[in-house]
Amino acid sequence: NAGVTQTPKFQVLKTGQSMTLQCAQDMNHNSMYWYRQDPGMGLRLIYYSASEGTTDKGEVPNGYNVSRLNKREFSLRLESAAPSQTSVYFCASSELFLGQSYGYTFGSGTRLTVV
Amino acid sequence: KQEVTQIPAALSVPEGENLVLNCSFTDSAIYNLQWFRQDPGKGLTSLLLIQSSQREQTSGRLNASLDKSSGRSTLYIAASQPGDSATYLCADPPHYGGSQGNLIFGKGTKLSVKP
Repeated sequence: NAGVTQTPKFQVLKTGQSMTLQCAQDMNHNSMYWYRQDPGMGLRLIYYSASEGTTDKGEVPNGYNVSRLNKREFSLRLESAAPSQTSVYFCASSELFLGQSYGYTFGSGTRLTVV
Repeated sequence: KQEVTQIPAALSVPEGENLVLNCSFTDSAIYNLQWFRQDPGKGLTSLLLIQSSQREQTSGRLNASLDKSSGRSTLYIAASQPGDSATYLCADPPHYGGSQGNLIFGKGTKLSVKP
């Protein structure tokens, strides 16, 4: 029972480099999310995908792009990394049915440092 | 806009005590509420999900209740153990008519249980 799997777990980037964070879930959930967590700021939503084929901006989307590759996979891309993107990134999934969200499951996180 | 507040921000108790963590929300049009725990440097682990038709949920030594009329949820931990030390977060999952896509988190209560 893997749940939500994120790769990589740790990454160090230089300013201006690009990278893609990968996320996959095996619970057949419709909805997937990317959050970042910073000290004192709590968890903030970057992008989400309510269902396969759709993506929407969250609270802090600038500097990021996402791809919902299929029902299982949702990737987050940093095109030109900046030190302000140093954070811990969490992927999550949930079932959304008739307007109600059921049971969020989170991945273990990616700790990203941009120098 | 839904706001979720958790009190206290931090709590330190001796082992064996029963304790209550509080979560309040501004928008009473809440369908369900989820409690998570986060260990330092780790991801979020779902503890309990109270669905709209329920008033409480129990899992082992944990009991969570939801009172929509007063805009409050409580997480009760019985006979606390050092292994319960973590940050506890409550969250309002998205639903149509609400802030769809955005799981609204409180800032959390950091619990320390002393042996």
